[in-house]
Amino acid sequence: GAGVSQSPSNKVTEKGKDVELRCDPISGHTALYWYRQSLGQGLEFLIYFQGNSAPDKSGLPSDRFSAERTGGSVSTLTIQRTQQEDSAVYLCASSLAQGAVGNQPQHFGDGTRLSIL
Amino acid sequence: KNQVEQSPQSLIILEGKNCTLQCNYTVSPFSNLRWYKQDTGRGPVSLTIMTFSENTKSNGRYTATLDADTKQSSLHITASQLSDSASYICVVSAPARNTGKLIFGQGTTLQVKP
Repeated sequence: GAGVSQSPSNKVTEKGKDVELRCDPISGHTALYWYRQSLGQGLEFLIYFQGNSAPDKSGLPSDRFSAERTGGSVSTLTIQRTQQEDSAVYLCASSLAQGAVGNQPQHFGDGTRLSIL
Repeated sequence: KNQVEQSPQSLIILEGKNCTLQCNYTVSPFSNLRWYKQDTGRGPVSLTIMTFSENTKSNGRYTATLDADTKQSSLHITASQLSDSASYICVVSAPARNTGKLIFGQGTTLQVKP
């Protein structure tokens, strides 16, 4: 399909392990976002990539979290030394460039459900 | 205190009835306000996007209103269907400065019963 694709859809791992989550955005979308949604909570912004500009990392909760976007397309979110509080659904979204008004719709993937034992 | 507050937290209505969801925000200045629909286990889907100069926008049976003076928005659903059962999320965007940070409300969970 032509939507945002995330993998894996589910991930269960032991505390202390590293995990990598992948996001394939819609072709041609220059903006890519990562969010975290904990049970019963609203979406929490993590990081934003726009073209070749420096990413906005202001939402990353600790230095255990990092993200890359290679070639302006696929992105990976890495969590090192996972903790139980990292358990959540991690959502990726992409959009066309937001511009000054910032009114481009975001297209979300269905997320990766991460469970830390 | 959350910068985007939604009410009610949850709502149950009968199929065919109308309903209105509320969103109050304190983000200022702001660039635009969005409503998303999120089905269980899926990612959010955009319903409407309004800039600060717009006060209403429709998408089929969904109509969003915005009062930038009182910092309030509402989402009205007409002739509800079972498929409208979902979480509805209000999102506010501050003016872009090479940042895509959006501020999400916690959502209103709507259940439509036959």
